[in-house]
Amino acid sequence: GESVGLHLPTLSVQEGDNSIINCAYSNSASDYFIWYKQESGKGPQFIIDIRSNMDKRQGQRVTVLLNKTVKHLSLQIAATQPGDSAVYFCAERDTGNQFYFGTGTSLTVIP
Amino acid sequence: NAGVMQNPRHLVRRRGQEARLRCSPMKGHSHVYWYRQLPEEGLKFMVYLQKENIIDESGMPKERFSAEFPKEGPSILRIQQVVRGDSAAYFCASSPPQGAGTEAFFGQGTRLTVV
Repeated sequence: GESVGLHLPTLSVQEGDNSIINCAYSNSASDYFIWYKQESGKGPQFIIDIRSNMDKRQGQRVTVLLNKTVKHLSLQIAATQPGDSAVYFCAERDTGNQFYFGTGTSLTVIP
Repeated sequence: NAGVMQNPRHLVRRRGQEARLRCSPMKGHSHVYWYRQLPEEGLKFMVYLQKENIIDESGMPKERFSAEFPKEGPSILRIQQVVRGDSAAYFCASSPPQGAGTEAFFGQGTRLTVV
């Protein structure tokens, strides 16, 4: 299957700063992308999604950017809070409705 | 509308026993995915099922592992003759048919410990 990878396995940010988590995907035919947050001992939780016909989507404190030219996805978290500390996964969906996940980036927020 | 339900949350098995992990998808969801996660690692795809069909099992070990999603009832991931290396968290996700609101939602996982 296709692979989805992350550039940085760990990220530490100061509370109140903005966080940027990056993801590279390899299947140019993927039409749908999701960011998930996984807290320790819990299942991944849906954060935000974006379809391939868009290049930006905003939620509450989070923004996802999609650059199809270089097959790159990013998650921006504004005013990062201690509760944002978790592992973040990106996922792509191929034309067969199969989801592929990246390795994950561990975000640590320093108070 | 209940979320994806997995049970049990924790399962302890002795080497050689069988483990059965259950996943009830969200209402209206006909697609189920199973993933395995080791501590401090990412999600590793195992199998993708629709009702009564295995769509992609490329991530499943060739022996001892099987999965089903019957017409009625939950999806079952079955591990026969468990070994210590099977200890992991197993997550299932469900999604609706493509084009009908297509987010995949996860359950809280089953943590399998083989002793």
